[in-house]
Amino acid sequence: QVQLQQSGPGLVKPSQTLSLACAISGDTVSSNIAAWAWIRQSPSRGLEWLGRTFYRSKWNNEYAASVRSRITINPDTSKNQFSLQLNSVTPEDTAVYFCARDISARFDYWGPGALVTVSS
Amino acid sequence: DIVLTQSPVTLSLSPGERATLSCRASQSVSSGYLAWYQQKPGQAPRLLIYGASSRATGIPDRFSGSGSGTDFTLTISRLEPEDFAVYYCQQHSYSLFPFGPGTRVDVK
Repeated sequence: QVQLQQSGPGLVKPSQTLSLACAISGDTVSSNIAAWAWIRQSPSRGLEWLGRTFYRSKWNNEYAASVRSRITINPDTSKNQFSLQLNSVTPEDTAVYFCARDISARFDYWGPGALVTVSS
Repeated sequence: DIVLTQSPVTLSLSPGERATLSCRASQSVSSGYLAWYQQKPGQAPRLLIYGASSRATGIPDRFSGSGSGTDFTLTISRLEPEDFAVYYCQQHSYSLFPFGPGTRVDVK
């Protein structure tokens, strides 16, 4: 059974960097089948896929155009986890952030979600 | 980019009734790569259906998906009390992987 556990601060100041981590159990971040994704949800934007990291002979990343200039998703094989960094945040980045396992771009296991508020 | 719309916005039904939810894509979804999720308050979405009609592991057979091209349907044959929730569709063939805005199924 795959489980995803999220961690990170719930409050970030405007213009600063949002950082979240997602620890994986029951699978490996280096899987040749799965990808590992971040998705957020807000009342104004609904569910929004942000990006993913995956290993296929080498590490690959794909990002949504809406955040591409500000986002980094990194794997950490030593801790079997992956992380999200979103730079230069504004109040519009306030959302519940989910990590998820991606099998052929369907999301079959999700973390519990973390509310991140951008406010001074 | 593919845009997904869902109808109706809200569906008010009684337990035991049949629910039919629609998802329409702005362009054809390759190979029927359309998924459905259920979300309850305070929880993450739960994968129900992928590839338009394949049930995910552990999903009861009262949930079924159909459709192709631009028009897809999620059917709940007989609503159980735990089925009242919000349902989202999502295309999983091209990059960006958009979600629809959701249909709320609530108790009549």
